[in-house]
Amino acid sequence: EVQLAQSGGGLVRPGGSLRLSCVGSGFSLRSHNMVWVRQAPGMGLEWVASNWCRGCSEYYADSVRGRFSVSRDDANNSMHLQMEGLRGEDTAVYFCARDRGGSHQGFDLWGPGALVTVSS
Amino acid sequence: IRMTQSPSSLPTSIGDRVTITCRASDDINSYLAWYHQAPGQAPKLLFIGVSSLQPGVPSRFRAAGHGTDFTLTIDDLHSEDFGTYFCQQYWSQSPITFGQGTRLEVK
Repeated sequence: EVQLAQSGGGLVRPGGSLRLSCVGSGFSLRSHNMVWVRQAPGMGLEWVASNWCRGCSEYYADSVRGRFSVSRDDANNSMHLQMEGLRGEDTAVYFCARDRGGSHQGFDLWGPGALVTVSS
Repeated sequence: IRMTQSPSSLPTSIGDRVTITCRASDDINSYLAWYHQAPGQAPKLLFIGVSSLQPGVPSRFRAAGHGTDFTLTIDDLHSEDFGTYFCQQYWSQSPITFGQGTRLEVK
């Protein structure tokens, strides 16, 4: 079955760090651009970061640039989001998602989400 | 690029026809996608390229628009269609931006 599994969420104190993981099955992550999208409680969707498979380009939202970084592990068909200097406003469910590819983008496969709570 | 959806919430009933609008602050050509998010679930892709229906999405869903103004219409609303709908532009890749969402709720 083609799916994304996520792990690594939890409760962390302000200023702390956390690493989220996203593991693909049934397809190769290396063939797709991948993104992280988050959703604060009761709020809408906010793009966080993109990792493009060609050229290994990375893009980050202004709100996380310099604190978050995306990496891939092709051997384990996975992607990670390393989050440093966490703030209360980073509290959200974090989704990883796959870009279907082609001339028109669309995130056609999503992980179930991982809740990150930043609180003292 | 800022994406603005209206309405923010819409009381509706099974069998209704529903139309949601999405407006971009700049011309995004046809680089628009639509998603549906059921409560507690991840979003599901409905359309890319404004109106290209994705596999498995029922034909009662249709979408249109170009440039800055876009619409999503659902004919004959089913119970599984409740939840929140988001538009997303990908003309600009950094940042990628979503509309704030339109929540369909039971009237």
